[in-house]
Formats: sequence, structure tokens, C-alpha cells
Amino acid sequence: AQSVTQLDSQVPVFEEAPVELRCNYSSSVSVYLFWYVQYPNQGLQLLLKYLSGSTLVKGINGFEAEFNKSQTSFHLRKPSVHISDTAEYFCAVRDSSGSARQLTFGSGTQLTVLP
Amino acid sequence: EPEVTQTPSHQVTQMGQEVILRCVPISNHLYFYWYRQILGQKVEFLVSFYNNEISEKSEIFDDQFSVERPDGSNFTLKIRSTKLEDSAMYFCATKGLAGVGGELFFGEGSRLTVL
Repeated sequence: AQSVTQLDSQVPVFEEAPVELRCNYSSSVSVYLFWYVQYPNQGLQLLLKYLSGSTLVKGINGFEAEFNKSQTSFHLRKPSVHISDTAEYFCAVRDSSGSARQLTFGSGTQLTVLP
Repeated sequence: EPEVTQTPSHQVTQMGQEVILRCVPISNHLYFYWYRQILGQKVEFLVSFYNNEISEKSEIFDDQFSVERPDGSNFTLKIRSTKLEDSAMYFCATKGLAGVGGELFFGEGSRLTVL
């Protein structure tokens, strides 16, 4: 079984400032890692994913994340945020072996970008 | 851009009533999922469905829940006798590709309120 911890439930940040949303996971097997974004009154949209290869993954809207196996982390970063980045962000993991195919989500981080 | 469509967007029902939530997947997708998010809590996996049968289900998905694809297009989640604790946002997700690389596309969710 896997679990995901998002350490910050809310992150306020000023426009054009950098931001990091933290995600740690635990698993007894190899995992694939994902970040989803949920804008108000909308569904979950995939930002980026790590399956294998380079540990630095670039996604949509200027976001990137780095997989750190030793620290079991997959933190999401953006060097300069916009008002439109205000949303809920979810980190998720999926077992890369065995039969489990569903995602396990973290509790989410509400990013609020202030003018 | 193809999208997953869910209806209704919001349903209010009395405890003990049956509820059916509907999902229209992206046309060539073959893997279907239901997740739910109780207000303020994590997004939780309920069930996955492929080739007209359940692939996996969580402990949440008890005998009160059922899924089917009655007409080859809509994918439905039925709650036979709703309880107060079934109040949540229910997300449908679909995937086209087999294996781990396929992205899950989420609908905008159906908010269920049980009174």
C-alpha cells in the first residue's frame, strides 16, 4: 500500500514569487508519481507525471517537479506564479508493480496567489 | 479537446434513496474509474472497470455501490440506499491506454448531498 503526505494544506504567495508545494510518499514498492490541479468548480487536471528517466519533470503552465527517491519526495515548483495559478493541487502515487492501478491521493494543498 | 462529462453536477437526496451518477467517457477510452472526495478530505479511489467488469475496488465500495455501462457509452455509479456519509464529490475518470503510461482524464465531478 502507498500513502501520500502533503505537508501544507494552504500556501499563500504573492504574484510573481516562486512557490514550492511539498509532497512526500511512502511505499514498499516502486511508484509512479503525479501532480494534479483542481481549479474552482472543475475536475482534476494532470500537471505532470514521473514514470522513469530524468528525475526533473516539466509539466504544463510552467510547473516542474523533482523526484527524490532517497527522500521519498516529489515537490512541485514554479519560479514565478500568476493569479491564475490559484487552485487546489494534489500529489498522487500509483504502484508501478503488481496489479494495483488506482491512484492514491494526498490531502491537497490550496495555493492562493495574492496580487 | 476531448473531455469526460458527468451528470448531474449537483444532486440533493434524502437518506435511504437510490442515486445514479452518470459519466460519459472520452470516446475511445476503455478503462473507467470512480473516485470520491468528502469535503475537506482526500480524493479516494472507489472502483475501476474494464471490459464490462470490475477490475479493482476499495473497501469503501461495499454492497451499496454498483457500477455498470448499460448502453456501451454511459458509465454509471449507483448508490442503492444513500447514507449521510455518502455526501461527497464523486469524480469519474477514464483512460485510453493500457499500462501505466496512460493518463487518467477526470470529469468535473458530481456533488452529492444526502439529507
